[in-house]
Amino acid sequence: ETGVTQTPRHLVMGMTNKKSLKCEQHLGHNAMYWYKQSAKKPLELMFVYNFKEQTENNSVPSRFSPECPNSSHLFLHLHTLQPEDSALYLCASSQAFGTMPYEQYFGPGTRLTVT
Amino acid sequence: KNQVEQSPQSLIILEGKNCTLQCNYTVSPFSNLRWYKQDTGRGPVSLTIMTFSENTKSNGRYTATLDADTKQSSLHITASQLSDSASYICVVSVHAGGTSYGKLTFGQGTILTVHP
Repeated sequence: ETGVTQTPRHLVMGMTNKKSLKCEQHLGHNAMYWYKQSAKKPLELMFVYNFKEQTENNSVPSRFSPECPNSSHLFLHLHTLQPEDSALYLCASSQAFGTMPYEQYFGPGTRLTVT
Repeated sequence: KNQVEQSPQSLIILEGKNCTLQCNYTVSPFSNLRWYKQDTGRGPVSLTIMTFSENTKSNGRYTATLDADTKQSSLHITASQLSDSASYICVVSVHAGGTSYGKLTFGQGTILTVHP
């Protein structure tokens, strides 16, 4: 198991539901990321947080709302999703300073199904 | 447009055999290239990271090569094992000015299946 944990591992939700994905890293990193992995597509970067500040929003629809209360925790709040949002959502963390390149460590992902 | 293309899309080999996966990229300005292994239902795990000055790097039975001139990389797996069955993803990082992490461009992955 890696130092990045994600809960829940599986989530089924209706289009009118509100749910949240949680990510926690135990590696002492200062940067955290949300990625979306759809079937047969490359990973897509959604959001980046450096030292709790959002530094990247990759044109993600507002029905996805990230929250980073501290450097160890990252949330993705979901509301009024569409069936095409069904995917594997991956969280990652890395250092944000020091000698580059910064290795990204991924969590196991949350498999989301929108019905 | 920054792109990473991997070939083949899928590959089936017998246990104990060697194989080579390919990655071509059109990413600029280049910072580094990474290979990840992703088991089904799990997050990717890093195998190697190479900067432009490195042309080969090994991690156990995995050896990655990089030709920055032709913008090609390969991942060679020696004496394959059943546990090597996974998706292998090539990722290229771009120098991104003041950002500390660099922008990553992901390939679609090569699905490797090792049969006994």
